[in-house]
Amino acid sequence: NFVLTQPHSVSESPGKTVTISCTRSSGSIANNYVQWYQQRPGSAPTTVIYEDNQRPSGVPDRFSGSIDSSSNSASLTISGLKTEDEADYYCQSYDSSIWVFGGGTKLTVL
Amino acid sequence: QVQLVESGGGLVKPGGSLRLSCAASGFTFSDYYMSWIRQAPGKGLEWVSYISTSGSSIDYADSVKGRFTISRDNAKNSLYLQMNSLRAEDTAVYYCARRGGIQPWGQGTLVTVSS
Repeated sequence: NFVLTQPHSVSESPGKTVTISCTRSSGSIANNYVQWYQQRPGSAPTTVIYEDNQRPSGVPDRFSGSIDSSSNSASLTISGLKTEDEADYYCQSYDSSIWVFGGGTKLTVL
Repeated sequence: QVQLVESGGGLVKPGGSLRLSCAASGFTFSDYYMSWIRQAPGKGLEWVSYISTSGSSIDYADSVKGRFTISRDNAKNSLYLQMNSLRAEDTAVYYCARRGGIQPWGQGTLVTVSS
């Protein structure tokens, strides 16, 4: 089994760009799709990126996803930060049929 | 639209049992592997169990193995989780999830294990 490691927290100012990383401990990041979920306080998660870099309809194009085989990591980039983007973000991939989650990153927009 | 609606949560004493249900709509339920995911208060997301499309392949997280049983009824577009011998550490919001495409998160169902 592998582990997905995310920074515990990141902070940035409104209007800026932030990138949240998700590093896979073993096996290639490209082996299985990576998803990103946003969870605001008191709410259920929502999907902001699926299949590495696909954005569901309704998710602003300020959100983008990518993978980097050289660092064996996935990244979620949010540009033009808004205060409403303040939330916890989780990356997720698969180990065969098992779901593997990162520990989550708390994004503060201040 | 694609939707997953969880139900069946509640307050139960340690050692007790509970059966969770998940009603799926808006997609061909029988085409998807399904899982249960949970989130303890103030904690991250944790995978609990998965079941294949036909139910022939199943697995559990070590923390629930031997106590929880996942099942599905494709005719009813429903997923279930039978939880026995519940412990305080099972207290969480439980979500059902499908593998593939956009995950349509429901609101989850809260399970509280407390005396």
